[in-house]
Amino acid sequence: EVQLVESGGGLVQPGGSLRLSCAASGFTFSSYEMNWVRQAPGKGLEWVSYISSSGSTIYYADSVKGRFTISRDNAKNSLYLQMNSLRAEDTAVYYCGRDYGDYWGQGTLVTVSS
Amino acid sequence: DIQMTQSPSSVSASVGDRVTITCRASQGISSWLAWYQQKPGKAPKLLIYAASSLQSGVPSRFSGSGSGTDFTLTISSLQPEDFATYYCQQANSFPLTFGQGTKVEIK
Repeated sequence: EVQLVESGGGLVQPGGSLRLSCAASGFTFSSYEMNWVRQAPGKGLEWVSYISSSGSTIYYADSVKGRFTISRDNAKNSLYLQMNSLRAEDTAVYYCGRDYGDYWGQGTLVTVSS
Repeated sequence: DIQMTQSPSSVSASVGDRVTITCRASQGISSWLAWYQQKPGKAPKLLIYAASSLQSGVPSRFSGSGSGTDFTLTISSLQPEDFATYYCQQANSFPLTFGQGTKVEIK
């Protein structure tokens, strides 16, 4: 059974940092592209970042470019999102998703507030 | 960036009704379009990919059509479990972009 489990969310002050993790199981993680998508409270879905199966190709939304870094460790079946210089507008549930969106994790809440 | 515009923003319908949601892309995206269903507090669920391909396990009352800039999601006979918010998303180019969502509510 395919499973994606996010962790690492929490409350952080503006300007702070967090590292989200997404643990994958039930499929050959190293063969799949991955994405992070977020959803602010009461708002729609917003794509955040993409990473290819090897990690060689990466894209970011303009809203997070220069502040967030996506990475993966195929040996550990894990996807990461390092979030620096966090702002109030980064407050959202963050989901990791496989490939073209066929599987998603349950999400982890990031709250940026003083 | 490619803008995705959904209509309507919300629709009230009854069980058994046929519901149609449209999505328009600001430029041509061929068939690089997906539809998702999302219920409160839950992750999005993929319904349709490549504009018209039904994701495995999704009931056949859901169908998608269109190509280029205009797309449609149709629910042929609305069921109680279908009351949710629906999003389109283009996968033609980065940044990936979503429509603003269509909330299907009980009439």
